Amino acid sequence: AQKITQTQPGMFVQEKEAVTLDCTYDTSDPSYGLFWYKQPSSGEMIFLIYQGSYDQQNATEGRYSLNFQKARKSANLVISASQLGDSAMYFCAVFQDAGGTSYGKLTFGQGTILTVHP
Amino acid sequence: EAEVAQSPRYKITEKSQAVAFWCDPISGHATLYWYRQILGQGPELLVQFQDESVVDDSQLPKDRFSAERLKGVDSTLKIQPAELGDSAMYLCASSSLRYNEQFFGPGTRLTVL
Repeated sequence: AQKITQTQPGMFVQEKEAVTLDCTYDTSDPSYGLFWYKQPSSGEMIFLIYQGSYDQQNATEGRYSLNFQKARKSANLVISASQLGDSAMYFCAVFQDAGGTSYGKLTFGQGTILTVHP
Repeated sequence: EAEVAQSPRYKITEKSQAVAFWCDPISGHATLYWYRQILGQGPELLVQFQDESVVDDSQLPKDRFSAERLKGVDSTLKIQPAELGDSAMYLCASSSLRYNEQFFGPGTRLTVL
């Protein structure tokens, strides 16, 4: 079974500083997708960024960038210039296609709670 | 902007009662997912639909949980009877293609007393 590891249960960062949230995954499939989602205390899951396993360039979306190291099976999220509104739970997830007529699924890590201090 | 709708947002029930959750995906999204998220953990897939067909329900406790998407649009997840361990957030998501981003609804927070 797919295993996603987020080793940091909680992280603290000063407003306007950058922070890196770690994610490692375990897959033998060469084709997969990596996602990061943000979940505020209200509960909804908000898509942040996507990286395909064959993408050569690291993905970026505004203040979010993904540090993708394929050989190490690592997909860390970097948030630059942190804002108070970034305080939330962050989940790394991997989509692995089962291939053929089967459908793959998204597997989530345990999450990291980020707190941004003023 | 199109959103995934879920209702109710909150549900409190007693154990052994039946509960039902409703999800309306983004228009045109063929794939619909139901996840369960226990407090402090990541979401876990319960069931995945492609149009009206179930394509993955391997993690659905079929003795008490059922899900349907009769016309390939909105979906209902039912628990009967509810148990204390079912207390969790139930999230619905939809996507237009398998590899595409999944859009999540606001969730239904279930408390079983």
